[in-house]
Amino acid sequence: QVQLQESGPGLVKPSQTLSLTCTVSRGSINSGGYYWTWIRQHPGKGLEWIGYIYNSGSTYYNPSLESRVTISVDTSKNQFSLRLISVTAADTAVYYCARGGTTVAYWGQGTLVTVSS
Amino acid sequence: EIVMTQSPATLSVSPGERVTLSCRASQYISSNLAWYQQKPGQAPRLLIYGPSTRATGIPARFSGSGSGTEFTLTISSLQSEDFAVYYCQQYHDWPPLTFGGGTKVEIK
Repeated sequence: QVQLQESGPGLVKPSQTLSLTCTVSRGSINSGGYYWTWIRQHPGKGLEWIGYIYNSGSTYYNPSLESRVTISVDTSKNQFSLRLISVTAADTAVYYCARGGTTVAYWGQGTLVTVSS
Repeated sequence: EIVMTQSPATLSVSPGERVTLSCRASQYISSNLAWYQQKPGQAPRLLIYGPSTRATGIPARFSGSGSGTEFTLTISSLQSEDFAVYYCQQYHDWPPLTFGGGTKVEIK
């Protein structure tokens, strides 16, 4: 079954850009019909859906983050990425990459990103 | 955006007991609801969707019910590995997906 693994800096300074990559294995990111998704979880809190990229092109972002977020895909590396600009302490969270649209069956293990100077 | 509300926030239960968790949607979502289980340090795991279809590999002691705005997740006989946080999530009006705040099932 498909596996996902997040990677990227664990510490980002306020006002800078958070960049994470999700590497997909045991499956092609080019396979049609899948939503490649990012979800985050603030420490000790619930889950917040960030957005997806679909069919290697179409994107949709949570309106609460839309002005700051970009999700892109690199099919040659079987990866997709999250970019969040102008971060603040409120963006400190565990970030999960996942595969799923209406329901999310496959998740990465998550990576903690702390925003601090 | 549809707001999902779960109750109670915490449930103290003894192993072997029957457990019922509730989830309410702020507006009609038909049967478009899923449940997830999350253990400390782990990603959530999809349990149930639709709202009564178990995901692959999920034991039969987990069952879901409801439609419209009121939903329930039942664990018929709580096992030690079931102590976790449970989230509901709607997919009726998406994107975005929205999740409830979670119910923590802890050992009594």
